[in-house]
Amino acid sequence: DAGVIQSPRHEVTEMGQEVTLRCKPISGHDYLFWYRQTMMRGLELLIYFNNNVPIDDSGMPEDRFSAKMPNASFSTLKIQPSEPRDSAVYFCASSWDRGGNNEQFFGPGTRLTVL
Amino acid sequence: AQKITQTQPGMFVQEKEAVTLDCTYDTSDPSYGLFWYKQPSSGEMIFLIYQGSYDQQNATEGRYSLNFQKARKSANLVISASQLGDSAMYFCAMRERYNTDKLIFGTGTRLQVFP
Repeated sequence: DAGVIQSPRHEVTEMGQEVTLRCKPISGHDYLFWYRQTMMRGLELLIYFNNNVPIDDSGMPEDRFSAKMPNASFSTLKIQPSEPRDSAVYFCASSWDRGGNNEQFFGPGTRLTVL
Repeated sequence: AQKITQTQPGMFVQEKEAVTLDCTYDTSDPSYGLFWYKQPSSGEMIFLIYQGSYDQQNATEGRYSLNFQKARKSANLVISASQLGDSAMYFCAMRERYNTDKLIFGTGTRLQVFP
């Protein structure tokens, strides 16, 4: 299995621009998670989906952030407009059904820099 | 209140020695799971080991073991026979069954293994 795939791996953009991060979960996984990691705040859960449906988006910082999962094999996290404080590493993770020892498998992350 | 507390921002250990990374947690849910992840300098998050709240025995995975003390609400990671490649950030995380499938992460401990 290829694991969780994220693109791009690195993104540098200017303040005010739209940024779209992409994720392909592991085939067969029911859950997809978006995290943000910064030095100041550590690893934060932004939103997660179950069977393509958003379950909890309470971690999404503000309306500038949106996430979609149009099908079981693809999800996007969009920031519009981007701001310098959005600079972080964004991880996508996926897992099987809830409960038990089903760990989350993380993608390699997208390092976003907003100038 | 912090759900997951890792009090050691940094640890040093000599190669081939054992090291313990501390993790305490706070939950009122009788059913929960505890996870440890490793994040090397390359950035990816790697799952190491899992402990369920009802598991009778401490979890072990190769050189990793989890010292689970339920009454103290601690889930310390023990790495035996440290290797240079163990140098990384280590994150403790918890999932509470009543709180759906969220993983709550600690702030991490940076481990440095020296020759």
